[in-house]
Amino acid sequence: KQEVTQIPAALSVPEGENLVLNCSFTDSAIYNLQWFRQDPGKGLTSLLLIQSSQREQTSGRLNASLDKSSGRSTLYIAASQPGDSATYLCAVSLYGVFIGGSQGNLIFGKGTKLSVKP
Amino acid sequence: DVKVTQSSRYLVKRTGEKVFLECVQDMDHENMFWYRQDPGLGLRLIYFSYDVKMKEKGDIPEGYSVSREKKERFSLILESASTNQTSMYLCASSLGSRETQYFGPGTRLLVL
Repeated sequence: KQEVTQIPAALSVPEGENLVLNCSFTDSAIYNLQWFRQDPGKGLTSLLLIQSSQREQTSGRLNASLDKSSGRSTLYIAASQPGDSATYLCAVSLYGVFIGGSQGNLIFGKGTKLSVKP
Repeated sequence: DVKVTQSSRYLVKRTGEKVFLECVQDMDHENMFWYRQDPGLGLRLIYFSYDVKMKEKGDIPEGYSVSREKKERFSLILESASTNQTSMYLCASSLGSRETQYFGPGTRLLVL
């Protein structure tokens, strides 16, 4: 059974630091991996999606990498800002066919709560 | 921009009541999902639907049912609410299999 782990559960950094969030998964047979951001009491916002054939994706100050063989992904945030404070979740999409043909199920990690101090 | 809306942000219900949570998306997405999110447990999939009138159980379907009569609308039904269904409920949609899922703002349900 696929399990997704995010360590640490919480992280506090001063403004301006570059930081890395980690995500690991137990089964390398994934189709893609997504990183989401969740603000307190809100829904999830998709940040980056990496296909299994890709090594990384970039969006602004965010860079996500994927190493399928080792079951790891990292989210790099450059020059962190207080507005980056949120919980960051990673999720993997499984490879395979489900009943009914839907293959879109995501397995989520429990997230890393990031606090960027001014 | 994709927009996923949920009928209520906060809801308080009594044990035994029938509860309807509504989700609407405006981008003609095929797939829709219902999750619940609890501290320490993360997001867990309750049900999903890949087409109108089609539904599949997720990881924790017990105590819930769903309805998808129109492509844009996916309803989660708690037949007889119980206190252990107090949670944050999140709806999501995606255009196709394995594509980015877009989430609604969530409904925080309290069952007394």
